[in-house]
Amino acid sequence: QSVLTQPPSASGTPGQRVTISCSGSSSNIRSNFVFWYQHLPGTAPKLLIYRNNQRPSGVPDRFSGSKSGASASLTINGLRSEDEADYFCAAWDDSLSAHWVFGGGTKLTVL
Amino acid sequence: QLQESGPGLVKPSETLSLKCSVSGGSISSGSYYWGWIRRPPGKGLEWIGIMYHSGTSYYNPSLKSRVTISVGTSKNQISLDLRSVSAADTAVYFCARVYCGGDCSLYFYHFYYMDVWGNGTTVTVSS
Repeated sequence: QSVLTQPPSASGTPGQRVTISCSGSSSNIRSNFVFWYQHLPGTAPKLLIYRNNQRPSGVPDRFSGSKSGASASLTINGLRSEDEADYFCAAWDDSLSAHWVFGGGTKLTVL
Repeated sequence: QLQESGPGLVKPSETLSLKCSVSGGSISSGSYYWGWIRRPPGKGLEWIGIMYHSGTSYYNPSLKSRVTISVGTSKNQISLDLRSVSAADTAVYFCARVYCGGDCSLYFYHFYYMDVWGNGTTVTVSS
């Protein structure tokens, strides 16, 4: 069971807006930055959002991140077929020794 | 670029050893740690640990007793050793570059994140 909680699945039609949630606790999301990754099995995971809401160069502005308290969310506007992938939130966790934790992942299906 | 390599099959109770070759930059750069992450079949990503070229490291507490990560500056390569493996260690293993946000000596670990990943290598634990 993952430390960060995500819905196992999400879906939308092309052009729609989809939001994926990520719930944590005081030892991770509430006190640290949140990061989001996109992973298509068989490929390298891709960084989508760093430090809560920053996009690396090359990531379309259709992707945005936000954080409030111990929860975070990833929003994808103008959904496209190529967005079909697994999405993971992540954060540093300060419990025990400092370490990084991932959410369980959300499988996004573009209908 | 990062490229993982290693045996695709490991027997239970043995040690899984993987290498990651780094090209296009020095592994001794002051702005990066280097690390390993895995994804078991049908499951999510699991962080294994990261290491700086000086030896400073952070590990997943659940794996720490079985894991050693090394940074080889002479070969520009990082290594992963996972001891006493079982079927639960079957996964795709990824190496990744971890950006500190600048000079790692100036930034607290909360700023660090994996920004570039390899394509992964599949490891199956089976007799």
